[in-house]
Amino acid sequence: AQSVTQLGSHVSVSEGALVLLRCNYSSSVPPYLFWYVQYPNQGLQLLLKYTTGATLVKGINGFEAEFKKSETSFHLTKPSAHMSDAAEYFCAVSDYGGSQGNLIFGKGTKLSVKP
Amino acid sequence: NAGVTQTPKFRVLKTGQSMTLLCAQDMNHEYMYWYRQDPGMGLRLIHYSVGEGTTAKGEVPDGYNVSRLKKQNFLLGLESAAPSQTSVYFCASSLLQAVSDTQYFGPGTRLTVL
Repeated sequence: AQSVTQLGSHVSVSEGALVLLRCNYSSSVPPYLFWYVQYPNQGLQLLLKYTTGATLVKGINGFEAEFKKSETSFHLTKPSAHMSDAAEYFCAVSDYGGSQGNLIFGKGTKLSVKP
Repeated sequence: NAGVTQTPKFRVLKTGQSMTLLCAQDMNHEYMYWYRQDPGMGLRLIHYSVGEGTTAKGEVPDGYNVSRLKKQNFLLGLESAAPSQTSVYFCASSLLQAVSDTQYFGPGTRLTVL
């Protein structure tokens, strides 16, 4: 069965510092992988996704993620954090098991950005 | 386009009461989903629909029912609310299957069951 693990429920960085949010997945078939962001009191919105092709995926707001099959990872990075990046971030993997055609979400990582 | 809208935004119920949450999308999407979000649990899929008139169970369907009578609307019903159903509920839609396509989320409904 597919699963997603996000390492660290809370991450705090200083403004201008590197943002690194970790995501590891488990999948018996080539996965599709997503990062969604949730700003306070809002729904989720797509940051970026990997389906096929280039393993380095660029998303909105300067974020990018790299699919590493050998490490079963899809970590999210941004070179320089901005105060507006404070939000909760969810990694998700395609579900080929129970609810076929849907996503399994990780438990989320809340990012805080200090001035 | 309004995107995905949810009604109501907040609701407080007593144990045993019933209610219906309405989700509407104006993007002509085939697929629609209901999730619940609980602290430290991420999002869990309750039910989903692959088209008008069809619904299917997700990861946590017990205690909920759904209907998709019109393509643009997806209703989530609680027949007899329980405190364990206190949560934030999100509706989402996608043009294609979520396994490869972008899901668009509504703003959420915060439900408290006393």
